Amino acid sequence: DAKTTQPNSMESNEEEPVHLPCNHSTISGTDYIHWYRQLPSQGPEYVIHGLTSNVNNRMASLAIAEDRKSSTLILHRATLRDAAVYYCILRDVQTNAGKSTFGDGTTLTVKP
Amino acid sequence: DVKVTQSSRYLVKRTGEKVFLECVQDMDHENMFWYRQDPGLGLRLIYFSYDVKMKEKGDIPEGYSVSREKKERFSLILESASTNQTSMYLCASSPYRGYEKLFFGSGTQLSVL
Repeated sequence: DAKTTQPNSMESNEEEPVHLPCNHSTISGTDYIHWYRQLPSQGPEYVIHGLTSNVNNRMASLAIAEDRKSSTLILHRATLRDAAVYYCILRDVQTNAGKSTFGDGTTLTVKP
Repeated sequence: DVKVTQSSRYLVKRTGEKVFLECVQDMDHENMFWYRQDPGLGLRLIYFSYDVKMKEKGDIPEGYSVSREKKERFSLILESASTNQTSMYLCASSPYRGYEKLFFGSGTQLSVL
């Protein structure tokens, strides 16, 4: 399975944009890039996903490098509620179950 | 709203006991997964299932088994619980296509004494 690499931790100030990077240099052509976040004492929740083009939804934006070897999750205005562990994973369109490997993720701290 | 429900939030068991962790999803998803989460190790895949009665090993299946008799229910079984199986267990489900998003339950914190 292709692996992802993320920084262990990042800090942000409230109401400022946050850019969370992810490297996936061994990504295959059929891998989708997914982002999840995990709030304290909860299971991970889906944030956004994409294949090649940049994506936007109500929670965040996903910027995907042209060579697809890296991506960036963008939170446009961080709030205290965005403090969480953010995971970047790859999901393969070719496999039925889409077995995915999670790394340690990035712990985002948001300062008031 | 879609839902993945894990039967217990906290569970305390003794070494050697047989432990059942239950997970139910109400979204008619084909795929279901069991992960364990430990500090510094991220989420590790134990087993997954892509259909009723079908199962495949994940990255760390040793000491565990699973059962999927009905589409909505996926059970994780610890045949003889050991202290190194103390962990947070997370269940997830997704539609059949591999790239579809995962839906997670809230987790079961299992302590084996």
